[in-house]
Amino acid sequence: EVQLLESGGGLVQPGGSLRLSCAASGFTFSGYAMNWVRQAPGKGLEWVSAISGSGNSTYYADSVKGRFTISRDNSKNTLYLQMNSLRVEDTAVYYCASGVYGGFGNWGQGTLVTVSS
Amino acid sequence: DIVMTQTPLSLSVTPGQPASISCKSSQSLLHSDGNTYLYWYLQKPGQPPQLLIYEVSNRFSGVPDRFSGSGSGTDFTLKISRVEAEDVGVYYCMQSIQLPTFGQGTRLEIK
Repeated sequence: EVQLLESGGGLVQPGGSLRLSCAASGFTFSGYAMNWVRQAPGKGLEWVSAISGSGNSTYYADSVKGRFTISRDNSKNTLYLQMNSLRVEDTAVYYCASGVYGGFGNWGQGTLVTVSS
Repeated sequence: DIVMTQTPLSLSVTPGQPASISCKSSQSLLHSDGNTYLYWYLQKPGQPPQLLIYEVSNRFSGVPDRFSGSGSGTDFTLKISRVEAEDVGVYYCMQSIQLPTFGQGTRLEIK
């Protein structure tokens, strides 16, 4: 059974940093692109970032480019999102999701990031 | 960015009746590789989204056959042949021919 488990969310002040993790199991992690998708409270879905299976290629939404960094450790079956210079508008539940057929086939339960003073 | 526009934004359906959601993209989603990168997701209350349909019309693993997708180019439709209580939630379309973008979501409730 595929499982994705996010961690690392919490309360942080504007301008601060957080690192999210997503532990994967039940599939060949290195064979799949991985993504972060976020959802602000009461709002819709926003794709944040993606990384290829090898980790050699990364992609970012304009809203986070230059502030967030996606990475992965295939030896640990873990995806990361380093978030710097956080803004109030980054407040959201962050989901990791595996890439399949060009979409997002499996999702974690999400971790809440709150940016507030 | 490609803008995805869903209609309606909400609908109320009697169990057993059909439902239909439209999704229009600001650019064609047909890639030169022949695939059309349009997806449908359902987010049930309190849950993460789940993939229903990939590449316009292919049901993802475990998705009931009452769900179907159709369309081409810039116009797409998700249909539920007979709505059940468990279908309540917010439906999103998404494109990935460029960096992914989602529609605003369509909330389905049961009458």
